[in-house]
Amino acid sequence: TQLLEQSPQFLSIQEGENLTVYCNSSSVFSSLQWYRQEPGEGPVLLVTVVTGGEVKKLKRLTFQFGDARKDSSLHITAAQTGDTGLYLCAGRFSGTYKYIFGTGTRLKVLA
Amino acid sequence: DTAVSQTPKYLVTQMGNDKSIKCEQNLGHDTMYWYKQDSKKFLKIMFSYNNKELIINETVPNRFSPKSPDKAHLNLHINSLELGDSAVYFCASSQKTSGVSTYNEQFFGPGTRLTVL
Repeated sequence: TQLLEQSPQFLSIQEGENLTVYCNSSSVFSSLQWYRQEPGEGPVLLVTVVTGGEVKKLKRLTFQFGDARKDSSLHITAAQTGDTGLYLCAGRFSGTYKYIFGTGTRLKVLA
Repeated sequence: DTAVSQTPKYLVTQMGNDKSIKCEQNLGHDTMYWYKQDSKKFLKIMFSYNNKELIINETVPNRFSPKSPDKAHLNLHINSLELGDSAVYFCASSQKTSGVSTYNEQFFGPGTRLTVL
């Protein structure tokens, strides 16, 4: 059973465009992380959100945790070619040590 | 450089063989993990050790056996390799503080691409 669904699965846009990636679940998470993975490398943490409704910004990236802590979104403003990569959300259930990773969104930003 | 390192980077082997992947972290972290990433890029946790103690053991075949000689190392041994074992295996580490209420950044290694022929 896939607990964390990401959409879209693939996204190809032009440089300068805006985009939003969604991470959805029917389960409640105590915290949620977003990672970016580039080809041939391991995922790198971008942000952790822990409070329902929390919004965090990282330069042109805006992350939001849903009020019910079941979903999250990542919005990129004025995408750049350097944003190209695989974006993964990962949720952790209360009382556990492990993170469950989402299905991933492959983003390609064209010059 | 401080990092999580894995060896080998690539591993090509025949079905039925036994192989090991090594992982070392020099970040001083207490917790280490093994993940498997399949061809669709889905990343799934396999095992986690905290201070050499197994704390997560997902439903993986018992052909997979992790070993943590010390808290800086977590190796993965795979017996009787099968075609379906082909994937990229990632080691990660994090600094676990007290209790499960903390949320820890995981630092991932570069991965080991295993191909079973």
